[in-house]
Amino acid sequence: AQRVTQPEKLLSVFKGAPVELKCNYSYSGSPELFWYVQYSRQRLQLLLRHISRESIKGFTADLNKGETSFHLKKPFAQEEDSAMYYCAPPYAGNNRKLIWGLGTSLAVNP
Amino acid sequence: DTEVTQTPKHLVMGMTNKKSLKCEQHMGHRAMYWYKQKAKKPPELMFVYSYEKLSINESVPSRFSPECPNSSLLNLHLHALQPEDSALYLCASSQLTGVGGYTFGSGTRLTVV
Repeated sequence: AQRVTQPEKLLSVFKGAPVELKCNYSYSGSPELFWYVQYSRQRLQLLLRHISRESIKGFTADLNKGETSFHLKKPFAQEEDSAMYYCAPPYAGNNRKLIWGLGTSLAVNP
Repeated sequence: DTEVTQTPKHLVMGMTNKKSLKCEQHMGHRAMYWYKQKAKKPPELMFVYSYEKLSINESVPSRFSPECPNSSLLNLHLHALQPEDSALYLCASSQLTGVGGYTFGSGTRLTVV
């Protein structure tokens, strides 16, 4: 199986503090990776994909092939950022079993 | 329309029942997926359809039977489920397999009694 790992199950920060959610991947080739977010009582939604190199809701993520990482960062956390965040590979259609990260629950305290 | 719609939102079924979950998207996506998500866990891939053809079955028990009647619809037929099958069942779609991220539905909360 080719997988991503999120080492932190829970991350708690204060409002206005920087936040970094870690994601490392273990598969070879040119990975395509995504961050998904699940707010309380809402559907899972795509937050970022590494190919687009965009910033959504102030979050950015850079693929670091040397460190095999795709960490999610935001310089100033807001209370509304509190949610579960998943780092995930796409399904590539070639029977490789691709496993999502276990998720990091981010709590932004006032 | 940029949404994936799933019905029903909640379902309670007995172990001898037969029921179906439905999923619909009108974004022109040609890949559709069923995922199972247990509480506080990431989604687990169950089935992948690409151009209305089943391309992967991730060792899912036969009591789950997917169907893709057309490019917009995806069904999951349920029969003789076990209590441990209780979970949130998510449908997702993407432009193609491996292209773009998923758009997820809000899920069907299934309880097997």
